[in-house]
Amino acid sequence: AQRVTQPEKLLSVFKGAPVELKCNYSYSGSPELFWYVQYSRQRLQLLLRHISRESIKGFTADLNKGETSFHLKKPFAQEEDSAMYYCALSGGYQKVTFGTGTKLQVIP
Amino acid sequence: EAGVVQSPRYKIIEKKQPVAFWCNPISGHNTLYWYRQNLGQGPELLIRYENEEAVDDSQLPKDRFSAERLKGVDSTLKIQPAELGDSAVYLCASSPAWDEQYFGPGTRLTVT
Repeated sequence: AQRVTQPEKLLSVFKGAPVELKCNYSYSGSPELFWYVQYSRQRLQLLLRHISRESIKGFTADLNKGETSFHLKKPFAQEEDSAMYYCALSGGYQKVTFGTGTKLQVIP
Repeated sequence: EAGVVQSPRYKIIEKKQPVAFWCNPISGHNTLYWYRQNLGQGPELLIRYENEEAVDDSQLPKDRFSAERLKGVDSTLKIQPAELGDSAVYLCASSPAWDEQYFGPGTRLTVT
């Protein structure tokens, strides 16, 4: 079985402070991992995926297979980063599992 | 482009009544997903279609839920009869392949 764990329901940081949203997964094979974001009153959308190793809106995420983690990081939080963030795993047979989400609140 | 379209956006029904949700995916997207999202939770996959074939419906409560995707384009998800615990947001997503998913706005269902 595959599982995604986001241990924090809410993360509050001050503007300009570093951000790290945690994601741990459980999967026996080689997973594809994603971060999705949902801004207020908008639909869920892809932020980034590990396979492309890109930085989107200043966010990066590195897959650590040893620690089975895919934490999302940004060096300097901005107010517009406030949103719900979901980590997702695509495993066998392209089955997709989402975490429970972390609400990021950036305090001005 | 409108993206993934869902209707209705909101639905309030009494328990034991039937309800249906409709989804129009992005043109050319062969893969279509239905998710249920309970309050404070992440989306939970109900069913995934590749064209008109349901390739993963292991999480669909088949005693009361049904879905179809005629001609491999639009899809309908039905609940009959609805129960109080079915209150949730029902999300539709489509994908050109198996990776990035494009989500619709969702249908918020309230069962009273």
